[in-house]
Formats: sequence, C-alpha cells, structure tokens
Amino acid sequence: AQSVTQLGSHVSVSEGALVLLRCNYSSSVPPYLFWYVQYPNQGLQLLLKYTSAATLVKGINGFEAEFKKSETSFHLTKPSAHMSDAAEYFCAVRPASGGSYIPTFGRGTSLIVHP
Amino acid sequence: EAQVTQNPRYLITVTGKKLTVTCSQNMNHEYMSWYRQDPGLGLRQIYYSMNVEVTDKGDVPEGYKVSRKEKRNFPLILESPSPNQTSLYFCASSLSLAAANYGYTFGSGTRLTVV
Repeated sequence: AQSVTQLGSHVSVSEGALVLLRCNYSSSVPPYLFWYVQYPNQGLQLLLKYTSAATLVKGINGFEAEFKKSETSFHLTKPSAHMSDAAEYFCAVRPASGGSYIPTFGRGTSLIVHP
Repeated sequence: EAQVTQNPRYLITVTGKKLTVTCSQNMNHEYMSWYRQDPGLGLRQIYYSMNVEVTDKGDVPEGYKVSRKEKRNFPLILESPSPNQTSLYFCASSLSLAAANYGYTFGSGTRLTVV
C-alpha cells in the first residue's frame, strides 16, 4: 500500500522568495517519486522524478527535490520564485518493485506568487 | 510531437444523454488511464488499461465505461451522465505499467458539465 500527503493545499510566496512544497509518502516497498505541475487550463506535466539514483533531483524551470528516506519526504524547492511558477503541483509515488505499479497522487498544492 | 490528445476540451450536456470523450496517444504506450480532478480531492483514477483489450477499474469507476480496441485510443464513455460527474477529466499514458520509473504524459483535459 502507498500514500502521499501534501502539506498545505495553498502556499503563498513573494516573487524572488524561496519556494518549498512539502510531500511525504508511505510505501511498503522502495518508491519512485514524481512531481508534476499543472498550469492554468492545462494538463499535468512531469517536473522531475526520483528513481533511486541521486537523491537530489533537478527538474525543469529551476526546481529540485531531495529524497530523504529517513523522513519519508520528497519536498520540492526553488530558490527564487517567479510569477510564472504560479500553478498547481502534484506529488506522486509508485512502487519500484512488486505489487501494483499504479501511481498514487497527492491532493495537490496551489502555489500563489505575489509581486 | 509526442502527445496525448483529448477531445473535446469543453462539453456541456444534459442528464442522461450518452457521451464519449476521446483520448489518443502517439507514443506507442501500453498503459493508459483516465482520471477526474475535483477541487480538494486531487486526481482520482477512473479506469486504466495495461494494453489492448485489457482494462480494469480504478478508484471511482461507477457510471463510466472504457474500451481499448487499439493501442493508441482509450475512449471514456458516460452512458447516462449525472450532475455528480461534472468534473475535469484527464487521460494519461505511460510506457508500460511495469516501467515504474517512467512518468505519465497527460492530455490537456476535458471540462465536462452535466446539467
């Protein structure tokens, strides 16, 4: 069984400030972890993924995430927010082996960027 | 361009009038899936297909049907739509269910309103 919890349905930051979107997971087997971004009126697109290589993963648009097994976390960060980062962000987990490979998505976090 | 194409983007219909939302992918992906997105609930899986002629229920299959007669197409059928099926629908595909490190490619979404 697996689950994903995204803390905070909305996160508000000022332009230029640090972005931190939290994702905690539970999984009975080693997980693969993903972040997706959904811009207004668009589908989701893959931002970055952790697949058991480096624990610090870099994605598109300056985002990165760090896999911390001891904390069962995969938080998404960006040093300096841009207005164009305003979007909905989804964390997802898939088991790396055994059982069902169907991913489980978090409920999403809406990032609001103020000028 | 590799993509998942959904049609229509917007649809308003009346209760009980059968409708089909089409989904097509050009990446030769084995795995396809339908999700609905509702405020505060995130993405919930409706149905998925591991390959041609192989489909299975997701978390919220009631009131929906699917078929997978060809690898590229995975239509979603609402035989008798009801207002509680008003939602934003996404089709997604992935290389295969077993390729757990592979992300999803999503369509642009279909916003359905049932009155």
